[in-house]
Amino acid sequence: RKEVEQDPGPFNVPEGATVAFNCTYSNSASQSFFWYRQDCRKEPKLLMSVYSSGNEDGRFTAQLNRASQYISLLIRDSKLSDSATYLCVVNALNRDDKIIFGKGTRLHILP
Amino acid sequence: NAGVTQTPKFRVLKTGQSMTLLCAQDMNHEYMYWYRQDPGMGLRLIHYSVGEGTTAKGEVPDGYNVSRLKKQNFLLGLESAAPSQTSVYFCASSYLLANEQFFGPGTRLTVL
Repeated sequence: RKEVEQDPGPFNVPEGATVAFNCTYSNSASQSFFWYRQDCRKEPKLLMSVYSSGNEDGRFTAQLNRASQYISLLIRDSKLSDSATYLCVVNALNRDDKIIFGKGTRLHILP
Repeated sequence: NAGVTQTPKFRVLKTGQSMTLLCAQDMNHEYMYWYRQDPGMGLRLIHYSVGEGTTAKGEVPDGYNVSRLKKQNFLLGLESAAPSQTSVYFCASSYLLANEQFFGPGTRLTVL
């Protein structure tokens, strides 16, 4: 199993729809989790942190499932401006101090 | 605040040439990172630093060297560039390893 896996997509979703994607991780010692957004030819930017209790920010909801070792991102009422690549990040804060970025999921919102 | 800045933004090198990429941050962050991003490969960590004067190898360190002489600067060096090092290089910083990373705008490097 790869350390961090994401469906590369692309997800082609009509404007206004709800879309969700997951990110699975293999290291059960992983302690912190994030979703980043990356626009074409730009740097990644933090979208939201993922807490054990879940996290909601407007139309975006992130959740952590430790038992099944995955994090999820839900986008409601999608906008054209949500088109981007979404990267999950998993930090394993053990002696290896590993920071692993997923390869990203491409999202296209269709008008 | 400028956040994280990178110099240069673009560069074309010939095989065997050397160059240094400069990253600067004004957020007083302890941790700094160098990544490369290639199509289909995602972001891969080259080297990182947990504080001034320290460096550590990441996932793909071969062919690169780094230095962190000042807390705000993290330099990435290519001693003898190879075409396989054609990539987009991102620098990032964070307060702690567990915290959000702030990225620079990237350097697009082409090695001919």
